[in-house]
Amino acid sequence: DAGVTQSPTHLIKTRGQQVTLRCSPKSGHDTVSWYQQALGQGPQFIFQYYEEEERQRGNFPDRFSGHQFPNYSSELNVNALLLGDSALYLCASSFTSEQYFGPGTRLTVT
Amino acid sequence: DQQVKQNSPSLSVQEGRISILNCDYTNSMFDYFLWYKKYPAEGPTFLISISSIKDKNEDGRFTVFLNKSAKHLSLHIVPSQPGDSAVYFCAASARSGGSNYKLTFGKGTLLTVNP
Repeated sequence: DAGVTQSPTHLIKTRGQQVTLRCSPKSGHDTVSWYQQALGQGPQFIFQYYEEEERQRGNFPDRFSGHQFPNYSSELNVNALLLGDSALYLCASSFTSEQYFGPGTRLTVT
Repeated sequence: DQQVKQNSPSLSVQEGRISILNCDYTNSMFDYFLWYKKYPAEGPTFLISISSIKDKNEDGRFTVFLNKSAKHLSLHIVPSQPGDSAVYFCAASARSGGSNYKLTFGKGTLLTVNP
């Protein structure tokens, strides 16, 4: 049983560009959450998707948007990238309670 | 505003001894707490959780204690093993408040278990 998978593993972008990160949840999970982890910090909640809709959102600007597909996979889109968006982006899936995390996508903005 | 605080950035213990990792929270709405372990280049791995209706939960070498009046929880690892060396994150959620799955994390504690 594959766990949560994310792609790509690493990504380098330039300021002002746009990026799309992808996540496939663990089998049987229907909820996907996205987190941003800056260096030396704990993961910070971006938003959560359930039944293809955004159910909760953290304190992130509208430049951060997402989508969930009928097969429960999800995308995170970030527009107009800033240097401060450089971080590890984690996807977590869940069905009832505990969230299971993927390995993350390391985004570097130059 | 840091709602979940792990005040010790690092902790070093000898193999076979007890490791105690601490976590404090400020939001009274939090009613479910979790501990995650994270190795470099991997995502956080769920370890153990506790609901606010309990004050202790045990799973093998891992025990979590919750003191609601003090808004404090701790993770005990006994006996500690070198493979336990990782960053440990405390996380909390407010299930009854409708934020069922949003997790708020602390900054983490780097545990090093020396052979």
